[in-house]
Amino acid sequence: AQSVTQPDIHITVSEGASLELRCNYSYGATPYLFWYVQSPGQGLQLLLKYFSGDTLVQGIKGFEAEFKRSQSSFNLRKPSVHWSDAAEYFCAVGASGYSTLTFGKGTMLLVSP
Amino acid sequence: DAGITQSPRHKVTETGTPVTLRCHQTENHRYMYWYRQDPGHGLRLIHYSYGVKDTDKGEVSDGYSVSRSKTEDFLLTLESATSSQTSVYFCAISESDQINLYYEQYFGPGTRLTVT
Repeated sequence: AQSVTQPDIHITVSEGASLELRCNYSYGATPYLFWYVQSPGQGLQLLLKYFSGDTLVQGIKGFEAEFKRSQSSFNLRKPSVHWSDAAEYFCAVGASGYSTLTFGKGTMLLVSP
Repeated sequence: DAGITQSPRHKVTETGTPVTLRCHQTENHRYMYWYRQDPGHGLRLIHYSYGVKDTDKGEVSDGYSVSRSKTEDFLLTLESATSSQTSVYFCAISESDQINLYYEQYFGPGTRLTVT
């Protein structure tokens, strides 16, 4: 069975500092991976996705993520965080031919002035 | 934004009453999903549909039923609501890319349900 672990429940970052949110997955075959963001009271918005090919993928709002097969990781990064990035971030994993995704429990990002 | 609406957006109901939540899409996507979101649990799949009248259970399906009589509508019913079903419910839709069979999900705005 697939599983996704987001080790950090909360992370606080100063505005302007760099950000890395961790995501580890467990799956036997080649996964496809997503990062979603959820602002308070809103639905989930797709930030970026990895299906195949280049392991460094770019998303919206200046985010990027790197797929590392050897570490079973898909960490989300941003070089300079803005106060508007404060939100909850979810990593999700799927498999080719399967229509369902497995989500991590989320990481809440707090941005300090 | 994907054309997904959920109704109602907020609902308060009493224990033991039936409740139906509606998800409506304008994207003509084949797949539709219902999730619940609870603090500390992330999103958990309740039921999903892979076509009109074709549905399957997710990991937390007990106490819930679904129906899909049209491509655009997916209904979630709590036959007899309990306090443990107080949650935020999200609908999502997806369609495969037909080549690699990857499914990218898009989410609705959510329904906050309180069972007293």
